[in-house]
Amino acid sequence: QKEVEQNSGPLSVPEGAIASLNCTYSDRGSQSFFWYRQYSGKSPELIMFIYSNGDKEDGRFTAQLNKASQYVSLLIRDSQPSDSATYLCAVKDTDKLIFGTGTRLQVFP
Amino acid sequence: DAMVIQNPRYQVTQFGKPVTLSCSQTLNHNVMYWYQQKSSQAPKLLFHYYDKDFNNEADTPDNFQSRRPNTSFCFLDIRSPGLGDAAMYLCATSKRDDTQYFGPGTRLTVL
Repeated sequence: QKEVEQNSGPLSVPEGAIASLNCTYSDRGSQSFFWYRQYSGKSPELIMFIYSNGDKEDGRFTAQLNKASQYVSLLIRDSQPSDSATYLCAVKDTDKLIFGTGTRLQVFP
Repeated sequence: DAMVIQNPRYQVTQFGKPVTLSCSQTLNHNVMYWYQQKSSQAPKLLFHYYDKDFNNEADTPDNFQSRRPNTSFCFLDIRSPGLGDAAMYLCATSKRDDTQYFGPGTRLTVL
C-alpha cells in the first residue's frame, strides 16, 4: 500500500515568516510530486510540482525534493494571512495521485 | 478560459433518492477523475477514465457508478445515497502522465 504522510497541524506562523510544510512517501520509485492548496470548502488548487531532486522556486513558494530520504517539502516565504489553508502533498502513481491528509497552515497577523 | 466545470455546486437529496453529478471540461484532457472528500480527509479516488477506459478503485462501493459519453463530459451517479455519502465530490482532469486540475466540486447533502 503506497502511502503519503503529512503532519495534520495546525502549523501556526506569524505573518512575514517562512512556513515549512513537510511530506514523506513510501514508494521509493515515485517520480512526480505535487503540492495543492485547499481553502475551506473549496477544491484543491495546484501550487507546484517537482520531479527532480533539489529545489524549485516559484514566487514565494519553493518545493524541495530529496528522493534518497523520500521527502518533499514546501516552503512559503513572507507568509500572508491569505496563505491560511490546508496544503495537500500528492505523489503520482501511474495515472493516479496518492494524497496525504494535508497540513493545515494558519498565518496570524 | 479552459476549465473544469461541475454542476450543480450544491446538491441536496433524500436518503435513497438517486442523484447525478456532472463534470465537463474544455481542456481536451483524456483522463477524468472522480474523488470523494469528507471533512479533514484527503480526497479519495473513486474511479477514473483514460479516454473511454473505465478504472474502478477496488474499494469504491457499487452504489457509485460513472459514465463518460464523450471526451468533455463525465457523470457520477449515486444510486441510493446514504447519510455516509454526504461529502464534497471533486472532478479532476489531466493529460496522461501529467498534472491533475480540479473543478470547483459539488457539495452533496443527504437528508
